[in-house]
Amino acid sequence: GAVVSQHPSWVICKSGTSVKIECRSLDFQATTMFWYRQFPKQSLMLMATSNEGSKATYEQGVEKDKFLINHASLTLSTLTVTSAHPEDSSFYICSARFPGQGYEQYFGPGTRLTVT
Amino acid sequence: DQQVKQNSPSLSVQEGRISILNCDYTNSMFDYFLWYKKYPAEGPTFLISISSIKDKNEDGRFTVFLNKSAKHLSLHIVPSQPGDSAVYFCAARASPGGKLIFGQGTELSVKP
Repeated sequence: GAVVSQHPSWVICKSGTSVKIECRSLDFQATTMFWYRQFPKQSLMLMATSNEGSKATYEQGVEKDKFLINHASLTLSTLTVTSAHPEDSSFYICSARFPGQGYEQYFGPGTRLTVT
Repeated sequence: DQQVKQNSPSLSVQEGRISILNCDYTNSMFDYFLWYKKYPAEGPTFLISISSIKDKNEDGRFTVFLNKSAKHLSLHIVPSQPGDSAVYFCAARASPGGKLIFGQGTELSVKP
């Protein structure tokens, strides 16, 4: 089946530093990937849509200068949280759209970010 | 504005019985609905989906029902097993390439 990986699975960083999260589609090429954020016991909130070779599309209220997204290849998208603050602590999940008419999305295992 | 709502944060069911998870939506443009299962600290895994042109889709122990007039869908798990214990999210999209809108999730606990 389609597999999406994320790295790292968890990360702790200090306030003011930046952290990069990678999302890879392991056995398929994904022209579109998505980045979600989930707070405890809440829904998955879409942050941005990442398209290979073009700029990401951010959802309303998401700071594009703070959450930098790069989709440099058909199997890799990265999310960089810049100048992290404790309120950025959350569970970040990516998904990759499987090619074809079904537009199915496969999710990565998520990354737990803690900013101290 | 919560377009997809799961009003029950939790549900507890005895093993072997039926689990019914409910989901309501407000956007009449949604044409495709999905259910995902999620364990703590993991990403969601796809469970079952239904197109708006259908009112029922079945896959093994899992059946999804769609009532378009009521803007309501439900997931039935029969028989429930302890391994089904997880958080279940319903999601909807308005077009084939559209973004998924998730509900808040329902935590299902199946007790032996």
